[in-house]
Amino acid sequence: GAGVSQTPSNKVTEKGKYVELRCDPISGHTALYWYRQSLGQGPEFLIYFQGTGAADDSGLPNDRFFAVRPEGSVSTLKIQRTERGDSAVYLCASGRDAYNEQFFGPGTRLTVL
Amino acid sequence: KQEVTQIPAALSVPEGENLVLNCSFTDSAIYNLQWFRQDPGKGLTSLLLIQSSQREQTSGRLNASLDKSSGRSTLYIAASQPGDSATYLCAVTNQAGTALIFGKGTTLSVSS
Repeated sequence: GAGVSQTPSNKVTEKGKYVELRCDPISGHTALYWYRQSLGQGPEFLIYFQGTGAADDSGLPNDRFFAVRPEGSVSTLKIQRTERGDSAVYLCASGRDAYNEQFFGPGTRLTVL
Repeated sequence: KQEVTQIPAALSVPEGENLVLNCSFTDSAIYNLQWFRQDPGKGLTSLLLIQSSQREQTSGRLNASLDKSSGRSTLYIAASQPGDSATYLCAVTNQAGTALIFGKGTTLSVSS
């Protein structure tokens, strides 16, 4: 079966613009996670979904960041009024359930000019 | 607050050597520990998952151990190959047992 996929692979935007990043998890995985990775660092947790609901959004840096998973499958990470400091690789992961192994997608590289 | 440290930050070895990568974490109340491999410009590939009740896991030339009480894990790579060159990341679950908390990784270079 297919792994986790993310689109777009690269996104360049201007400061102040709105962006959406999409994640397609492995089929049947109920747990979905978003992470952000800056150069030379390990990924940092942003938000965790169990099914359709955000069970833990403690990692979202501020209210410009929002994520949805309306049907319990595909998820979209939304960033409003982008800032240069938002530039990073955004990684999505899924798992059969919480507490289980997490499988990562290839990431979306976001560059804010 | 859980913190994960990986030592060394970088490692260069000749092909064929056995090597050990180290990971330490500050809070022993973890649900599991996962080792990943990341190639430049790519996502993360899961290598091994160790449940908190386990002490080690093996997959091919890889062996990972876990000592919860001391807050340590090691990843042993036997008979290293140039294709093993990558960054290796260690991650533990947070106290809620859901999100992963990562170290900064060890960048391994294996020369032929």
